[in-house]
Amino acid sequence: AQSVTQPDIHITVSEGASLELRCNYSYGATPYLFWYVQSPGQGLQLLLKYFSGDTLVQGIKGFEAEFKRSHSSFNRRKPSVHWSDAAEYFCAVGTGGFKTIFGAGTRLFVKA
Amino acid sequence: EADIYQTPRYLVIGTGKKITLECSQTMGHDKMYWYQQDPGMELHLIHYSYGVNSTEKGDLSSESTVSRIRTEHFPLTLESARPSHTSQYLCASSEGPTNPPAIEQFFGPGTRLTVL
Repeated sequence: AQSVTQPDIHITVSEGASLELRCNYSYGATPYLFWYVQSPGQGLQLLLKYFSGDTLVQGIKGFEAEFKRSHSSFNRRKPSVHWSDAAEYFCAVGTGGFKTIFGAGTRLFVKA
Repeated sequence: EADIYQTPRYLVIGTGKKITLECSQTMGHDKMYWYQQDPGMELHLIHYSYGVNSTEKGDLSSESTVSRIRTEHFPLTLESARPSHTSQYLCASSEGPTNPPAIEQFFGPGTRLTVL
């Protein structure tokens, strides 16, 4: 069955610290992978996507994500977190048709 | 500016009322979607549309109905609201067939529905 797992429901990091948001997927074919962000009271906004090619994808605001086929993962990293990064982050797998499967999200809290 | 809009943003309503959640997009996208979102849970697809006069049910069983009479408009209707319908409803859209598939979705701000 197709699924997306984000193991961490909440993460709290200090401002300036590094961050990794984990995402594992289960999908039989080559996946289309996405990271979305949701701020309170808002819809989801696309941050970055992977379709093919270089497995390290650069996103906005210093985030990057790495596709590892052997681990079925698409983890997202940032070397230095800013307070404005506090939000909920969703990993998603697109199946090439209409369907996109979303994880349950990881809520990021940033301590001053 | 191209965007996707949802109204109302917040709705509190009594049991048994009929409600319609509005969703409009100005991007000319063929595909549109309705998701239900609850805290700590995955987004669940409840309806989708490939284009005008095309509507399908999603993975999550829902008592709601949708229509797609115009490309830009995809309203969701609950004939008789119940407390179990309390949730956040997100509308999204994406382009039609492209190469490679442009399947990233653009989301509206959501409607938070509370049924008393």
